Amino acid sequence: ILNVEQSPQSLHVQEGDSTNFTCSFPSSNFYALHWYRWETAKSPEALFVMTLNGDEKKKGRISATLNTKEGYSYLYIKGSQPEDSATYLCAPNQAGTALIFGKGTTLSVSS
Amino acid sequence: EADIYQTPRYLVIGTGKKITLECSQTMGHDKMYWYQQDPGMELHLIHYSYGVNSTEKGDLSSESTVSRIRTEHFPLTLESARPSHTSQYLCASMSLGGAVRGYTFGSGTRLTVV
Repeated sequence: ILNVEQSPQSLHVQEGDSTNFTCSFPSSNFYALHWYRWETAKSPEALFVMTLNGDEKKKGRISATLNTKEGYSYLYIKGSQPEDSATYLCAPNQAGTALIFGKGTTLSVSS
Repeated sequence: EADIYQTPRYLVIGTGKKITLECSQTMGHDKMYWYQQDPGMELHLIHYSYGVNSTEKGDLSSESTVSRIRTEHFPLTLESARPSHTSQYLCASMSLGGAVRGYTFGSGTRLTVV
């Protein structure tokens, strides 16, 4: 079973602040790394699916990087807004296996 | 607009009852999954299927069972509910090309067994 660590567990920032989270995972047999955003009372929503070492993806003010050799990924949010408040989940998987989710980082943005 | 549907959204049921949580998707995805989440904990994989008549148990031991008779339908059944089954259950699906788009999740079923 993959061991997925996310930090910090929770984070509270002011509107306009930039922030970042970390996801650590075993680098052996790596296949893909997914990031999801889970807002309260909604379904988790896929943000990024990353497969290549050094990959960097961007969606609006949110971006993510991937280092498969050392087993980590960073998620960045630039200029946080209250609507960014959610739990951010990362989930790696090995080839042919289902996603294993971390506990997530819960972000709260105050206006 | 949701393409994967879970019912019921909330369920309170007595100990010993048999229950079935429904999950259906309209995207023609081959891969479907059930995850369980206890408060403050991560999503744990309990069952998955890669196609019709194919089901496997996940990493977390579960007393539930699943079936996959049709591509679009992946119900989860508890033969005799217990308070320890109180949890949130999330269904998800992914196409074979899901490496690009990731999972699509349902809204979840929050189950309380009293």
